[in-house]
Amino acid sequence: QKEVEQDPGPLSVPEGAIVSLNCTYSNSAFQYFMWYRQYSRKGPELLMYTYSSGNKEDGRFTAQVDKSSKYISLFIRDSQPSDSATYLCAIERGTGGFKTIFGAGTRLFVKA
Amino acid sequence: GAVVSQHPSWVICKSGTSVKIECRSLDFQATTMFWYRQFPKQSLMLMATSNEGSKATYEQGVEKDKFLINHASLTLSTLTVTSAHPEDSSFYICSARDQRTGKSEQYFGPGTRLTVT
Repeated sequence: QKEVEQDPGPLSVPEGAIVSLNCTYSNSAFQYFMWYRQYSRKGPELLMYTYSSGNKEDGRFTAQVDKSSKYISLFIRDSQPSDSATYLCAIERGTGGFKTIFGAGTRLFVKA
Repeated sequence: GAVVSQHPSWVICKSGTSVKIECRSLDFQATTMFWYRQFPKQSLMLMATSNEGSKATYEQGVEKDKFLINHASLTLSTLTVTSAHPEDSSFYICSARDQRTGKSEQYFGPGTRLTVT
């Protein structure tokens, strides 16, 4: 079993739609949760970072963590064509080193 | 925000030659830098972790004699691909963090596309 599972997609939505991206993880030792956005042929860009269960909002983006279910989500409201990219979830233990484990990434296409 | 640069952004080299890729943190001190490899439409594969002033820690299956990593200062790490072969062609991305802040965020460079002919 992979430590973090993420559906690679692709996911295609119309402009203005609410997008839901999800990951599950297997080990409750993971305490830090991140979402990165990666445009084609570019390095990943940190979007959201959280360490507690609940929601964290930043503009059109909301990160949600449910530690009891080992489930993390990223919601994008009012999606735009410029949101078309690959979104990677990432998890990290709080102790014993800072190795980050990335999901496979979900390719998102927002159609104008 | 934290900015990480990589140089070169792309490079083409002949089989058997060596290539050096630089990773710099521009506005913060990076106690730790990571080197990743990414194949098309795949996620990031961690190759090694380097801490300033010490030897890099390589992930299982990564040849340390082939991928030489040097982290000589708090703002610069280099990856040298020695005796490159076509199968080494890939997208190499570095990231950096300041471990002293206690935060887990790492900031990525723009990546270097290596093509070995």
